[in-house]
Amino acid sequence: AQSVTQLGSHVSVSEGALVLLRCNYSSSVPPYLFWYVQYPNQGLQLLLKYTTGATLVKGINGFEAEFKKSETSFHLTKPSAHMSDAAEYFCAVSASGYALNFGKGTSLLVTP
Amino acid sequence: DAMVIQNPRYQVTQFGKPVTLSCSQTLNHNVMYWYQQKSSQAPKLLFHYYDKDFNNEADTPDNFQSRRPNTSFCFLDIRSPGLGDAAMYLCATSLDRTSNQPQHFGDGTRLSIL
Repeated sequence: AQSVTQLGSHVSVSEGALVLLRCNYSSSVPPYLFWYVQYPNQGLQLLLKYTTGATLVKGINGFEAEFKKSETSFHLTKPSAHMSDAAEYFCAVSASGYALNFGKGTSLLVTP
Repeated sequence: DAMVIQNPRYQVTQFGKPVTLSCSQTLNHNVMYWYQQKSSQAPKLLFHYYDKDFNNEADTPDNFQSRRPNTSFCFLDIRSPGLGDAAMYLCATSLDRTSNQPQHFGDGTRLSIL
């Protein structure tokens, strides 16, 4: 079975600081990995995805993530946090067809 | 813009009174999904349609049903809502059922049970 673990249910950063949201995966086959963002009372928006090829993936809103097979990780980063980045972030893995297995989510708080 | 649209955004119903949530898409995707998301939790897949083929998750309660009359529309029916069914319901689509296809989500319908 495939699963992801998001370390830290809440992360707080200052505006302008580095954002680092951690995600580790478990998969017996090569995984496809996704990061989604959810703003209050809205659906999930795809930030970026890793399928094959380049391990450093760039997404929308200045986010990027690096797939590290040796560490089974897919951490999400952004060099400089903006107030509008405050939201819930979900890491998800898909390795056997349609099913997306989501992590429990990380709530990002950005302080002035 | 191509998108996934859910109506209504907020729905209030009474305990035991049937309710229907709707989802439409302009992406012309083959697959449509319904998720249930309770407060501070990850979305949980209830079922999906691949074209007209309905696929129920093993742990989805019988109280939940779905219809897909055409490619663009999909409905979630809750036959006898209980208090535990209060949640955000998310509709999503994907082009097909391969692992590398991302899912595109609507903004959800927040269901409250009185």
